[in-house]
Amino acid sequence: DGGITQSPKYLFRKEGQNVTLSCEQNLNHDAMYWYRQDPGQGLRLIYYSQIVNDFQKGDIAEGYSVSREKKESFPLTVTSAQKNPTAFYLCASSIGVASTDTQYFGPGTRLTVL
Amino acid sequence: GENVEQHPSTLSVQEGDSAVIKCTYSDSASNYFPWYKQELGKRPQLIIDIRSNVGEKKDQRIAVTLNKTAKHFSLHITETQPEDSAVYFCAAPRGNMLTFGGGTRLMVKP
Repeated sequence: DGGITQSPKYLFRKEGQNVTLSCEQNLNHDAMYWYRQDPGQGLRLIYYSQIVNDFQKGDIAEGYSVSREKKESFPLTVTSAQKNPTAFYLCASSIGVASTDTQYFGPGTRLTVL
Repeated sequence: GENVEQHPSTLSVQEGDSAVIKCTYSDSASNYFPWYKQELGKRPQLIIDIRSNVGEKKDQRIAVTLNKTAKHFSLHITETQPEDSAVYFCAAPRGNMLTFGGGTRLMVKP
């Protein structure tokens, strides 16, 4: 899990602004994921990507967008359409696309809307 | 789709006691059940997992049991230590994704 990084660690956004969270992995993993974590709640899937140039919506994709132009990078954009974006965002990757492939998490980005 | 319920949401134990966290799932086709530990301010990390061809798996002080008939699986931590204090998440497959439980905050009092 040391091979997956996220930046920045903390991010502050004004209402109405789009922001992009970075996720990079050097594990040569095919699959990458974005989760949102709210206090006292579990991890909810926003988007996932099984391969370069392909991605799928998760359970709470509204107000978010992603791209997967390179295998090692999976940035998440939080748009102004996301009504309650303040949360802890976790990126993960796994070697393959099977649910039995262990997911390794990045250190997370804490986003606060001012 | 898969629904994973996790209980309890908080658990406080005395150092040296055992802790048990239980999860139930809905999809009878699920065959892989990982457990993650998340210390305060840190990333979730896999601590143990079990596949549906076994009923129990142990790794030192932690163990996971699986009851496929009842569709539940549990994490057991014996001889708890203060460093076991964290939030624990269970998960179950949903297609080629994972659905996570709501988490259990375990507090081990010295």
